[in-house]
Amino acid sequence: NAGVTQTPKFQVLKTGQSMTLQCAQDMNHNSMYWYRQDPGMGLRLIYYSASEGTTDKGEVPNGYNVSRLNKREFSLRLESAAPSQTSVYFCASKGQGTDTQYFGPGTRLTVL
Amino acid sequence: AQSVTQPDIHITVSEGASLELRCNYSYGATPYLFWYVQSPGQGLQLLLKYFSGDTLVQGIKGFEAEFKRSQSSFNLRKPSVHWSDAAEYFCAVGAPDRDDKIIFGKGTRLHILP
Repeated sequence: NAGVTQTPKFQVLKTGQSMTLQCAQDMNHNSMYWYRQDPGMGLRLIYYSASEGTTDKGEVPNGYNVSRLNKREFSLRLESAAPSQTSVYFCASKGQGTDTQYFGPGTRLTVL
Repeated sequence: AQSVTQPDIHITVSEGASLELRCNYSYGATPYLFWYVQSPGQGLQLLLKYFSGDTLVQGIKGFEAEFKRSQSSFNLRKPSVHWSDAAEYFCAVGAPDRDDKIIFGKGTRLHILP
């Protein structure tokens, strides 16, 4: 099992460009999450999906969109990147009930 | 909605000394509680978790945490720290009777003095 995979690992964008961060899990988990990590701010939840076909806003959803393409995949899209979106982005997945969250390795995004 | 507070941004302890990292949560019922550790440039590793039952939870690397409902706390402890414990520690809270949203605290960075 690969667990949770994220692509790309690094990305540099110019202000106004768009891109999609990809996340996939092979653990048959129902729930998937996108967090951003910034110094001194911990991990802040952007969006999550409790099951295939559903998505909900987290703490900091503005400027992002998500798609739960199927049970395995949960993508995060930046339509018009801004320097404030420079961050490390983590994807996570979780099974039902009391299962543990599993995290991907992260994507380091820089917006110039 | 649930929330979590880690009051200490930085903590410094001497190698071999005991450690306690504080975590306070806000939630109307019994939450799910987690502690994660992140070494520089690395991902997050789960140390331990509490869902129900025994309020003293044992985790990996010699860590333990105690759930205290009356104080809305879930503090992380270790009796004797090692230099390799220097890292950032995150407390997280989930809402089992509402949804699958899991919220993290801002983290506590642990420094170890030789």
